[in-house]
Amino acid sequence: QKEVEQNSGPLSVPEGAIASLNCTYSDRVSQSFFWYRQYSGKSPELIMSIYSNGDKEDGRFTAQLNKASQYVSLLIRDSQPSDSATYLCAVNFGNEKLTFGTGTRLTIIP
Amino acid sequence: DVKVTQSSRYLVKRTGEKVFLECVQDMDHENMFWYRQDPGLGLRLIYFSYDVKMKEKGDIPEGYSVSREKKERFSLILESASTNQTSMYLCASSLSLAGGGGFFGPGTRLTVL
Repeated sequence: QKEVEQNSGPLSVPEGAIASLNCTYSDRVSQSFFWYRQYSGKSPELIMSIYSNGDKEDGRFTAQLNKASQYVSLLIRDSQPSDSATYLCAVNFGNEKLTFGTGTRLTIIP
Repeated sequence: DVKVTQSSRYLVKRTGEKVFLECVQDMDHENMFWYRQDPGLGLRLIYFSYDVKMKEKGDIPEGYSVSREKKERFSLILESASTNQTSMYLCASSLSLAGGGGFFGPGTRLTVL
């Protein structure tokens, strides 16, 4: 069974620091990778996608993909209290659906 | 902006009732999905559809069925609701998973008594 693993946290990071969220997956043929942010009581919101090895930056967010090691990470620079949420990693294992990790709860401490 | 709407935010039903959850998207997306989300278990795919009248089972289809008569609408049906189907149900749509991740509706919190 194809799986996506995340550390459930909680991960606590001081305001202004870098938050680093990690995700590993089980299948080398995985094609596309996504990070979602989910605030408490709300639905997930897509914040980053990445398809090839390396880094992809969007504002304060950087997604990093290493297919050889089968991990994808999300860095949040200059963390703000509004970044406090659960972050979900999702992987497309080559078919028309996503497999989600269980999420990492991030708390930014003012 | 992509908009995915769901028919109810909160729903309370009795065991054995037939339950309909409806989802509508306005972006002409081919793919639509139903997930349930439970603490500690994350998001689990129930069913998905890649075209009108087409459907595929996800990871946990037992006890559920779906209907997609029109491109913009995807319904989840609980034929005979049970207490273990109490959950948050999330609908999503996407143009193509290879080209972009899904966009979620606001969710329906279903309680089965």
